[in-house]
Amino acid sequence: GAVVSQHPSRVICKSGTSVKIECRSLDFQATTMFWYRQFPKQSLMLMATSNEGSKATYEQGVEKDKFLINHASLTLSTLTVTSAHPEDSSFYICSAREGASGGAGSTQYFGPGTRLLVL
Amino acid sequence: KNQVEQSPQSLIILEGKNCTLQCNYTVSPFSNLRWYKQDTGRGPVSLTIMTFSENTKSNGRYTATLDADTKQSSLHITASQLSDSASYICVVSGQAGTALIFGKGTTLSVSS
Repeated sequence: GAVVSQHPSRVICKSGTSVKIECRSLDFQATTMFWYRQFPKQSLMLMATSNEGSKATYEQGVEKDKFLINHASLTLSTLTVTSAHPEDSSFYICSAREGASGGAGSTQYFGPGTRLLVL
Repeated sequence: KNQVEQSPQSLIILEGKNCTLQCNYTVSPFSNLRWYKQDTGRGPVSLTIMTFSENTKSNGRYTATLDADTKQSSLHITASQLSDSASYICVVSGQAGTALIFGKGTTLSVSS
């Protein structure tokens, strides 16, 4: 199956610093990538939808100036958490969609996640 | 409101036993339903995907069923193994271009 990688797998940073997380589709081109956040024992919550070459679409309540998303190529999207604070500590998961939007032929492949701890 | 509800919230079974997880949804229009397995600290991995016309789909010891009329799905795990311990998430896709709707998952613990 298709593989999506994330880097780093975990990161610890000081409050006020910025952290960049990379998401790559390794063996397919992903026109659309998604960024999710997951708190302990909670379901995945969609943060934003990223389309290659255009601005990301953010979900309600997600600060676009705090969570910067860049989708510069069909295989790479990045999420930058700017001026991170302890409440930003979470598990961040990206996914990449292969195939047409929404149909049975399209599948979202999830990355392994990035654990962010802000001290 | 589009929702996906899963039950039970958590489940503990002995190794070798079978179990069934439930998923009810109110998403409309409906495109497809997927079951994912998420190990602790890892991203979700797809187990099955079913469209409106499919009633059952198997993937090894995992068998998913779908009743599009009652908007219910189940995931049956046969002869459970310790490695089956994980969170199982039911995800429903609505019409094209809309976001996936995630259930909160069922946490399965398989003990020896």
